[in-house]
Amino acid sequence: GAGVSQTPSNKVTEKGKYVELRCDPISGHTALYWYRQSLGQGPEFLIYFQGTGAADDSGLPNDRFFAVRPEGSVSTLKIQRTERGDSAVYLCASSSSGRFSGTQYFGPGTRLTVL
Amino acid sequence: AQKVTQAQTEISVVEKEDVTLDCVYETRDTTYYLFWYKQPPSGELVFLIRRNSFDEQNEISGRYSWNFQKSTSSFNFTITASQVVDSAVYFCALSEANLSYNTDKLIFGTGTRLQVFP
Repeated sequence: GAGVSQTPSNKVTEKGKYVELRCDPISGHTALYWYRQSLGQGPEFLIYFQGTGAADDSGLPNDRFFAVRPEGSVSTLKIQRTERGDSAVYLCASSSSGRFSGTQYFGPGTRLTVL
Repeated sequence: AQKVTQAQTEISVVEKEDVTLDCVYETRDTTYYLFWYKQPPSGELVFLIRRNSFDEQNEISGRYSWNFQKSTSSFNFTITASQVVDSAVYFCALSEANLSYNTDKLIFGTGTRLQVFP
């Protein structure tokens, strides 16, 4: 079946602009995660959804970052007033049953470049 | 504190050599999960293995094997008879399974870049 998909694959924006990144999880997966990966680093957790609700948003760096999952499937990560430091690859992952399900399957990521 | 350390930043080997990637973790919990992911040049993280903290049995899958030792908090990954297609960045990750936490986020190490030369 289809894996996790993310759009766009690349996004170039200017400092101060607003961006939205989209994630389509594996069909039927209730848990969805966003991570951010900077060059040469491992992915860092941003936010976790169980169904429609954000169960853990402790990784969001500041209030410019926000994510939604209104129908418990597709999720959108929103970044306001982008800064050059936001440049990174944003990864989405999903798993079948949420807490302690263990296996998160990742999408190909969105490479965000803030000029 | 939860932490994953992959001390080897980069390893280069010649095809058919065996190579071991090290992973050391820190956790406050007795129940947790450990993972390895592969990130080829295309960028997508590919799941390789998941182990829970109560299962210390070593695992073998083809040319891949994993050695889990709770006594040293290590979860090392060995590739036998390496191939050029094994070239990638490999990440070790930890997930704590504590009911008081409302999350099972992954804590990743910084990765080990493996280059296999023909």
